[in-house]
Amino acid sequence: GESVGLHLPTLSVQEGDNSIINCAYSNSASDYFIWYKQESGKGPQFIIDIRSNMDKRQGQRVTVLLNKTVKHLSLQIAATQPGDSAVYFCAEKVKAGNMLTFGGGTRLMVKP
Amino acid sequence: GAVVSQHPSWVICKSGTSVKIECRSLDFQATTMFWYRQFPKQSLMLMATSNEGSKATYEQGVEKDKFLINHASLTLSTLTVTSAHPEDSSFYICSASGRVNTGELFFGEGSRLTVL
Repeated sequence: GESVGLHLPTLSVQEGDNSIINCAYSNSASDYFIWYKQESGKGPQFIIDIRSNMDKRQGQRVTVLLNKTVKHLSLQIAATQPGDSAVYFCAEKVKAGNMLTFGGGTRLMVKP
Repeated sequence: GAVVSQHPSWVICKSGTSVKIECRSLDFQATTMFWYRQFPKQSLMLMATSNEGSKATYEQGVEKDKFLINHASLTLSTLTVTSAHPEDSSFYICSASGRVNTGELFFGEGSRLTVL
């Protein structure tokens, strides 16, 4: 969805807890989704991706869930650590294209 | 993994100056590169898509004469902000796509432009 002019929502969690970051995407034709982590002053860093023919994909400490019915994507981070503090963006890509459209982002703050 | 490098990482210039930002793919050939702009606390907004050897495709609202993009080789794309003004101050990020795995895009570290 559109993000221009919006300030980032913030999710604050205790170290060791699980984090869930949500994203609503807009284009039903999107078939590839990626979660990025962006630390202050740096470029986005790939975390995990998922294709539209899947509902769930797991990585190391991270899980992405895709609900195509309601066009919703979530990122779950297990045992959140201080180093996970960053802004997280979801991005969607339409089939046969390389252009990524980014969601508005969520700031994750991990309290020690 | 694939690496994309941007230079400079931070530039401060006077109003009216033209500034060039380079984006290089270090270990793969990038057939397509993308330029994004990011204002503080906001998401990335695509400015243009750059294909090697052809003219860039600009997103609606992006002035092509203001933001000149050149993709002269498979490893280098440049963004030139012409006659920069304070409102052009932003974080500019490039990404590259090439013959790497699933079409995942690799991002540069970004270039911060501050126009005084």
